[in-house]
Amino acid sequence: GESVGLHLPTLSVQEGDNSIINCAYSNSASDYFIWYKQESGKGPQFIIDIRSNMDKRQGQRVTVLLNKTVKHLSLQIAATQPGDSAVYFCAENYYGGSQGNLIFGKGTKLSVKP
Amino acid sequence: DSGVTQTPKHLITATGQRVTLRCSPRSGDLSVYWYQQSLDQGLQFLIQYYNGEERAKGNILERFSAQQFPDLHSELNLSSLELGDSALYFCASSSQGTSGSTGELFFGEGSRLTVL
Repeated sequence: GESVGLHLPTLSVQEGDNSIINCAYSNSASDYFIWYKQESGKGPQFIIDIRSNMDKRQGQRVTVLLNKTVKHLSLQIAATQPGDSAVYFCAENYYGGSQGNLIFGKGTKLSVKP
Repeated sequence: DSGVTQTPKHLITATGQRVTLRCSPRSGDLSVYWYQQSLDQGLQFLIQYYNGEERAKGNILERFSAQQFPDLHSELNLSSLELGDSALYFCASSSQGTSGSTGELFFGEGSRLTVL
């Protein structure tokens, strides 16, 4: 598959465990945050988003937490499965910015051991 | 399958050459975005078009240009290619185009450009 980065932080978890992927964002004016998942050889895929007026949002098996005080975002994946193995990117967007002008983080590689 | 189609999937060319990457957005999406993904820079926003008009510009070099046609497909033109232009180029689409922060982007599978 395609390599998206040679020096990505890597998180290795056992199948069935919970995963927590962290992200520090850069712009205190950012008001919208998204997590994307990129599997080998594919484009990024939307997972979940959160606005700055929230500090937590839950989806199916995923939860995003936002701490604006320290400009920190995290993605929690419950009962991690082998299919969750991918590179995960956080992205931020600031009010007034183009919807697509997302600023992506460097990514974290999640490896799930069966 | 995101519904976004990109061609070609792979392209190998020489320095100084020019290439065109093509993107067909999801049916009904008016916005098209181009991103570059390289090993050292990660995912970088290049440019956005909405219903045929340029809407936002990111870190796009002057050697690069794009356009969106009446049928909403888009092309990214890369000229005077340099070794450092080798990267994955992604197209994404969405139904929205106004500024503000809503909605998700649907990414294609990318075009891998190798400049030798």
